[in-house]
Amino acid sequence: RKEVEQDPGPFNVPEGATVAFNCTYSNSASQSFFWYRQDCRKEPKLLMSVYSSGNEDGRFTAQLNRASQYISLLIRDSKLSDSATYLCVVNPEGSNYKLTFGKGTLLTVNP
Amino acid sequence: NAGVTQTPKFQVLKTGQSMTLQCAQDMNHEYMSWYRQDPGMGLRLIHYSVGAGITDQGEVPNGYNVSRSTTEDFPLRLLSAAPSQTSVYFCASNAPIAGSPLHFGNGTRLTVT
Repeated sequence: RKEVEQDPGPFNVPEGATVAFNCTYSNSASQSFFWYRQDCRKEPKLLMSVYSSGNEDGRFTAQLNRASQYISLLIRDSKLSDSATYLCVVNPEGSNYKLTFGKGTLLTVNP
Repeated sequence: NAGVTQTPKFQVLKTGQSMTLQCAQDMNHEYMSWYRQDPGMGLRLIHYSVGAGITDQGEVPNGYNVSRSTTEDFPLRLLSAAPSQTSVYFCASNAPIAGSPLHFGNGTRLTVT
């Protein structure tokens, strides 16, 4: 099992749709979890951290399920500007300097 | 706010040439790292550093050297470029605090012919 696996995508959705991304991780000792967003030919940028109790930031909701070792990202009311690749990032060793990235899921929001 | 600065943005090398990718951060982050991103492979860790004078290998270190003489700078050296090193390279930094996210530079697009 790969350390971090994401939905392969791509996802094509209409504006206003709700879309969910899932990510599983293999190391049960993982401590920190993030969702990053990467626009085409740009660097990844932090979208949100994922906390044990789940957290929300506007239209974005992140959840963590430690028992099943997966995290999710829900985007409500999709906008054209949400089109990007979404990267699941996990801290697999309890350290903060060897983060492991999923391969990313490409989202295209269509008008 | 400069954040993480990488140079150059683009580079073309011939097989066997050497070069250094520069990375500097002004956030006083102790941790710095280099990733490469290839289609279908995601970001993979090349080398990382937890402080000045301390470096270690990541997942794909072969063909690369690093050094960390100051907190601010973390250059990546390609000793003898190979076509397999054609990739996009990202430098990143973060703080030694649980949950501290990575801050990335703009990336270097390297082509080795």
